[in-house]
Amino acid sequence: DAKTTQPNSMESNEEEPVHLPCNHSTISGTDYIHWYRQLPSQGPEYVIHGLTSNVNNRMASLAIAEDRKSSTLILHRATLRDAAVYYCIRRHGAGSYQLTFGKGTKLSVIP
Amino acid sequence: DAGVIQSPRHEVTEMGQEVTLRCKPISGHDYLFWYRQTMMRGLELLIYFNNNVPIDDSGMPEDRFSAKMPNASFSTLKIQPSEPRDSAVYFCASSLAPLGQPQHFGDGTRLSIL
Repeated sequence: DAKTTQPNSMESNEEEPVHLPCNHSTISGTDYIHWYRQLPSQGPEYVIHGLTSNVNNRMASLAIAEDRKSSTLILHRATLRDAAVYYCIRRHGAGSYQLTFGKGTKLSVIP
Repeated sequence: DAGVIQSPRHEVTEMGQEVTLRCKPISGHDYLFWYRQTMMRGLELLIYFNNNVPIDDSGMPEDRFSAKMPNASFSTLKIQPSEPRDSAVYFCASSLAPLGQPQHFGDGTRLSIL
């Protein structure tokens, strides 16, 4: 089973950067790191994914440690709309399409 | 572009009744997934299809659950007979074929079995 460890909850002030950590110490060489988020009463939404190097897109940045045992999702400027549960998922690269969701981190954004 | 469309959004029915949840994936997507979310167990994958063929149904809880995908634009998840413990939010998602492609989720069906 693809295990990751995340804090249960975090808080951030609006318009400040947020760093959401994820530990995946047993990751294998072909596993990707995917991040999804789930806003209240909605389905999960893809945020970003990466394998070894850092990744940026319009929503966020993903910083992956050199040993790949941990990663950090960075929201550069939190807005109230970013309040959600954020899931870090270790996705097997060898042919599996399955996403195994953990409990995630509930992010609260304070105005 | 239209996203994944699920219907109904809410369903309340009595125990023992048949329940059918419906999903229309994003056009052109090769993969379709059914998930269930509860407070106790979180988000769980029930089954997924590739090109309308079920690939992995190991997450389907028991024989009361069945899923079909008669064509590329429609899938159903059926529970018969329904039980109160089936109460949950059921999500459908779809994705393109290459392995790294993200899954796009619908807004879910909130099912309550009385």
